[in-house]
Amino acid sequence: DADVTQTPRNRITKTGKRIMLECSQTKGHDRMYWYRQDPGLGLRLIYYSFDVKDINKGEISDGYSVSRQAQAKFSLSLESAIPNQTALYFCATSDQTGYGYTFGSGTRLTVV
Amino acid sequence: AQSVTQLDSHVSVSEGTPVLLRCNYSSSYSPSLFWYVQHPNKGLQLLLKYTSAATLVKGINGFEAEFKKSETSFHLTKPSAHMSDAAEYFCVVRTIYNQGGKLIFGQGTELSVKP
Repeated sequence: DADVTQTPRNRITKTGKRIMLECSQTKGHDRMYWYRQDPGLGLRLIYYSFDVKDINKGEISDGYSVSRQAQAKFSLSLESAIPNQTALYFCATSDQTGYGYTFGSGTRLTVV
Repeated sequence: AQSVTQLDSHVSVSEGTPVLLRCNYSSSYSPSLFWYVQHPNKGLQLLLKYTSAATLVKGINGFEAEFKKSETSFHLTKPSAHMSDAAEYFCVVRTIYNQGGKLIFGQGTELSVKP
């Protein structure tokens, strides 16, 4: 099994729908992150969490929310999806040093 | 604030010729720098990292990068390109610990390798 698992791998949804992307990890790391990737923009940080009780906004958090259900689980929600949220989303974990990052395989989300 | 700038959005080389992907960084502190690679429809893979030890860093698949403080650069090189090197490459800086130790990505450079 992968160290960081994202579900679903692909999703097409309609404008205005609520959607949740899920991430689970078996690394035992406290730190978890959500990034989105857009062509020509690299990866940008949406939200991050250093433990179950610690949630922080990244550089592009508007329109998104997160839930850290357990050390191993970190979900990203789009409350009302819009087409410019079409992107590739990555979940990642890191150890306490912040050097040992592990990325999931990504979720490709299309909002129509 | 820390940032990285990848100077080329696309680089095209012929198989067997050298690869140079350019990255400049901005940091008030001694930075931690990384290069990641993303093959088509794949996730991200760490190529190499610089964490203030040797300035010449060797990574996987024959890639290496040199940290040059005077030029604020961290360019990625490979002596001889292979077809399998065709991918997107990201230069990344890690924020300092009290800013969360987060990764900040450059815009990416797409590498094409011609036969």
